[in-house]
Amino acid sequence: AQSVAQPEDQVNVAEGNPLTVKCTYSVSGNPYLFWYVQYPNRGLQFLLKYITGDNLVKGSYGFEAEFNKSQTSFHLKKPSALVSDSALYFCAVRDPSYGGSQGNLIFGKGTKLSVKP
Amino acid sequence: NAGVTQTPKFQVLKTGQSMTLQCAQDMNHEYMSWYRQDPGMGLRLIHYSVGAGITDQGEVPNGYNVSRSTTEDFPLRLLSAAPSQTSVYFCASSGLGRGPVQYFGPGTRLTVT
Repeated sequence: AQSVAQPEDQVNVAEGNPLTVKCTYSVSGNPYLFWYVQYPNRGLQFLLKYITGDNLVKGSYGFEAEFNKSQTSFHLKKPSALVSDSALYFCAVRDPSYGGSQGNLIFGKGTKLSVKP
Repeated sequence: NAGVTQTPKFQVLKTGQSMTLQCAQDMNHEYMSWYRQDPGMGLRLIHYSVGAGITDQGEVPNGYNVSRSTTEDFPLRLLSAAPSQTSVYFCASSGLGRGPVQYFGPGTRLTVT
């Protein structure tokens, strides 16, 4: 079965410092990986995805993620954190068990990012 | 485009009551799905649809029904509400194809007493 793990419930970073939010995955076949962000009382917003190609994926709001096949990881990164980046971040992997040939998404439990001024 | 819209935003039900959560999208997406979000558990798939007239169960379908009579609408029905169904419900839609992005609605916060 496909799965993702986000080992940290919370990540605390000072504004201006680099941030990393960790994600590891377990899939059979090629992984389709996604990062979403959720601000308080809002729905999830897409940040970036990895389907194939370059291991470093660039996304919205200055975020990027590095796909590492040998470590089965897809960590989210940003060179310089902003207070406005404080939110809940979800890693997700495509699961072909549901959704027919397209597959659906399996989400991690989420990591709360707190950026302090 | 309004994207994915959900109504109501908040709802309180008594145990045993039924209700329908509405979801609509104006992006002509074939794929629509319902998730529930519970603290510390991420999002879990309830039901999904790959097109009008086609629905199927996800990971946690018990106690919920869906139908898809049009491309735009995908309502979720709670047949007999239980306290265990207290949650935040999100509807999402996407196009078909390899690795499509799912677009989420703003959510419905449901409390069952």
